[in-house]
Amino acid sequence: DTAVSQTPKYLVTQMGNDKSIKCEQNLGHDTMYWYKQDSKKFLKIMFSYNNKELIINETVPNRFSPKSPDKAHLNLHINSLELGDSAVYFCASSQVTGAQYFGPGTRLLVL
Amino acid sequence: AQRVTQPEKLLSVFKGAPVELKCNYSYSGSPELFWYVQYSRQRLQLLLRHISRESIKGFTADLNKGETSFHLKKPFAQEEDSAMYYCALSGGTNAGKSTFGDGTTLTVKP
Repeated sequence: DTAVSQTPKYLVTQMGNDKSIKCEQNLGHDTMYWYKQDSKKFLKIMFSYNNKELIINETVPNRFSPKSPDKAHLNLHINSLELGDSAVYFCASSQVTGAQYFGPGTRLLVL
Repeated sequence: AQRVTQPEKLLSVFKGAPVELKCNYSYSGSPELFWYVQYSRQRLQLLLRHISRESIKGFTADLNKGETSFHLKKPFAQEEDSAMYYCALSGGTNAGKSTFGDGTTLTVKP
């Protein structure tokens, strides 16, 4: 069983489009995250949710909107995609503190 | 504010040589420290956490609170150790937040 899963694995789209990435975890964790990994492999936290409530919202354009329908899911919607949004997006989960378990990543390419 | 510094962006060693990946942190409380590994085009995986004091794949890391360091060591590097390694800190007033270092790319040459 996959602990943290993301869909889609690859996403190629045009500038200006709107897209969503879905994440699910079956570990029973309370906290979920979205990270962006850029071309230099820097890992930057974007959002963190605890029991469906937003607890961390780093400096991210408001074109990015997370949504947590329940504590096992955290989706990421991106409006008006820009070239600079091209990156690998990782979902992760953990207990409130502690080790994080990552999804396989979604490679987003904006043309 | 919590901060994690990995001073080496790239590290290259020969197979069988010892390897040390440096990690320094700043944090005002009692942190939890972790090492994660990312093999090429794969997800990040937990490698070590300081509270378990275990050895995984021959790697060890000791938390040195005096030097605020959590360096990752392996006495004999293997080619399959080539990967990106991230040091991370968890804790603080921001529950659920981990701070990651910029990562070190380790290349083990044959």
